[in-house]
Amino acid sequence: GNSVTQMEGPVTLSEEAFLTINCTYTATGYPSLFWYVQYPGEGLQLLLKATKADDKGSNKGFEATYRKETTSFHLEKGSVQVSDSAVYFCALSPSGGSYIPTFGRGTSLIVHP
Amino acid sequence: NAGVTQTPKFRILKIGQSMTLQCAQDMNHNYMYWYRQDPGMGLKLIYYSVGAGITDKGEVPNGYNVSRSTTEDFPLRLELAAPSQTSVYFCASTQGDRVTLAKNIQYFGAGTRLSVL
Repeated sequence: GNSVTQMEGPVTLSEEAFLTINCTYTATGYPSLFWYVQYPGEGLQLLLKATKADDKGSNKGFEATYRKETTSFHLEKGSVQVSDSAVYFCALSPSGGSYIPTFGRGTSLIVHP
Repeated sequence: NAGVTQTPKFRILKIGQSMTLQCAQDMNHNYMYWYRQDPGMGLKLIYYSVGAGITDKGEVPNGYNVSRSTTEDFPLRLELAAPSQTSVYFCASTQGDRVTLAKNIQYFGAGTRLSVL
């Protein structure tokens, strides 16, 4: 079956530090890949997405590149802010007509001033 | 844009009580889902629906029931509440598009925080 593995948190950084949150996946075919963000007390919302190999998704300074050869979709940001403190979920939507996504467990990010 | 609306936002139940968590979406999405989120455990799929009149079990369906009589609404029913059902419940929807894969974004409600005491 499909699976998504994220690095465990919490990840604690100082403001303006570089962020990487690792995500690897297992799936057949060419799934679509997503990063969702959950702010405290809220539901998940889409941060960025990529639908084919070598696509780069980007939004709000965050980036992730769909690497088919390493089955990875690592999230990066060059300079984090306190307002980026949240839980980040990597997810895949399988190819082939099934719309049951697989989510990673989530990685909590805490950014200190 | 309302998106996905969940009610109530908070609820406390006694063991053995029943309740219905409401979920409505106004995006004409085919697919709807119910998840529960326990601390540090990510999301677990309870039930999903591929369209009006069609529902199926997810990973953790025991103790829950669903129905989907319209495209817009997907209520989740807890019949005999148990402490193990204390959790945050999220409803989500997606278009479900074979051609335009970027449309398969999940849209989430704000969640219902349920405590069973």
